[in-house]
Amino acid sequence: DGGITQSPKYLFRKEGQNVTLSCEQNLNHDAMYWYRQDPGQGLRLIYYSQIVNDFQKGDIAEGYSVSREKKESFPLTVTSAQKNPTAFYLCASSIGFGTSGRNTDTQYFGPGTRLTVL
Amino acid sequence: QKEVEQNSGPLSVPEGAIASLNCTYSDRGSQSFFWYRQYSGKSPELIMSIYSNGDKEDGRFTAQLNKASQYVSLLIRDSQPSDSATYLCAVPEWNTGNQFYFGTGTSLTVIP
Repeated sequence: DGGITQSPKYLFRKEGQNVTLSCEQNLNHDAMYWYRQDPGQGLRLIYYSQIVNDFQKGDIAEGYSVSREKKESFPLTVTSAQKNPTAFYLCASSIGFGTSGRNTDTQYFGPGTRLTVL
Repeated sequence: QKEVEQNSGPLSVPEGAIASLNCTYSDRGSQSFFWYRQYSGKSPELIMSIYSNGDKEDGRFTAQLNKASQYVSLLIRDSQPSDSATYLCAVPEWNTGNQFYFGTGTSLTVIP
């Protein structure tokens, strides 16, 4: 089955800890994205990557870090610098602008990771 | 900052009725538009995309686009209780496609 997987489904973090959220896709997509969703709010972009070994900050990158060493994987680390990390984290992927063209690139989402700070 | 606006709702319709969801966007250059459905506690799933002015139908769903007025809407005919969810409108950044801008979503409840 092709798709996007995220793990763990639920994650609990103590104050001062760094935690890493996993995102893997086997869709052969070039582009990958991380979003944060808070209750009653829309999706806010944390980081995105259009190609391996390259990534860009989104609107709320402070306190987060990412890597893109493989096309299939885009892990997100929530650092202790992120003061209010409790949220629902969503990973998405798309074919990529360069391949699909600006008018048709479509994002598909993984099942999400719910992070809670204890 | 590009803006995508949706009425947060909640929108309640009786079973079998037509539900109408609206979205406006600020970037006049936007070329493509997407509707996602998100059930409570789940991730968004794509239900419709539209690129040209006019209507696009897919089963009980119809997306309508009016670029001159900068709005896109989603109609759900013969609404079912299983349609109860939050519907997100998404508009890619038109010149780079580097990110999608999402509305905050409209919560729909279909009453049996």
